[in-house]
Amino acid sequence: DIVMTQSPDSLAVSLGERATINCKSSQSVFHSSNNKNYLAWYQQKPGQPPKLLISWASTRESGVPDRFSASGSGTDFTLTISSLQAEDVAVYYCQQYYTFPLFGGGTKVEIK
Amino acid sequence: QVQLVQSGSELKKPGASVKISCKTSGYTFTSYAMSWVRQAPGQGLEWMGWINTDTGNPTYAQGFRGRLVFTLDASVNTAYLQISSLKADDSAVYYCASLLRSSNYYYFDYWGQGTLVTVSS
Repeated sequence: DIVMTQSPDSLAVSLGERATINCKSSQSVFHSSNNKNYLAWYQQKPGQPPKLLISWASTRESGVPDRFSASGSGTDFTLTISSLQAEDVAVYYCQQYYTFPLFGGGTKVEIK
Repeated sequence: QVQLVQSGSELKKPGASVKISCKTSGYTFTSYAMSWVRQAPGQGLEWMGWINTDTGNPTYAQGFRGRLVFTLDASVNTAYLQISSLKADDSAVYYCASLLRSSNYYYFDYWGQGTLVTVSS
């Protein structure tokens, strides 16, 4: 079975600074038939359901601020918040959908 | 606009059953699969499985087989999750979630607000 590992578990970043979250899959989620990585990123704020930020490893959803970007391929992926804002405090999850949906353990982002 | 509205919080005793609803609006209910996701207190997200809203055929994730039943009532655009023989560690928030652009992939662009189930004697 695929295992999704996120790092770090939590990070504290100053307002306006960069936050970087890593997600590693135990096997590749790249599908050669369509040259796509089956990897999504979500943001979850307390008391709310997750919000889809990124699909296909790097495609930002409509309405998601462009300070959120994502990259990676195969087994290693990164979500970057280029300039952290107060409203970005949340837990962030990666999810592979190459096989059955499987989420990473989450990364809690706080203000330093 | 698209909405997935779940039923309210539940308090159940061990051994009881619970049935959660997810009422949808704003799109064609039978066009997109519905998944269920569990989140235990302070924990991460676990996909429980999905139901084909056209055929009613459910698929249960490996760790959840046996006590779950996914059902539909397409006449009221609603999906249901029933859990039987509840245990304390079934205490969690349960979400319905769907991808309203394809039935071929399983990431989720729309979520219900969540239903808290507490199992306690």
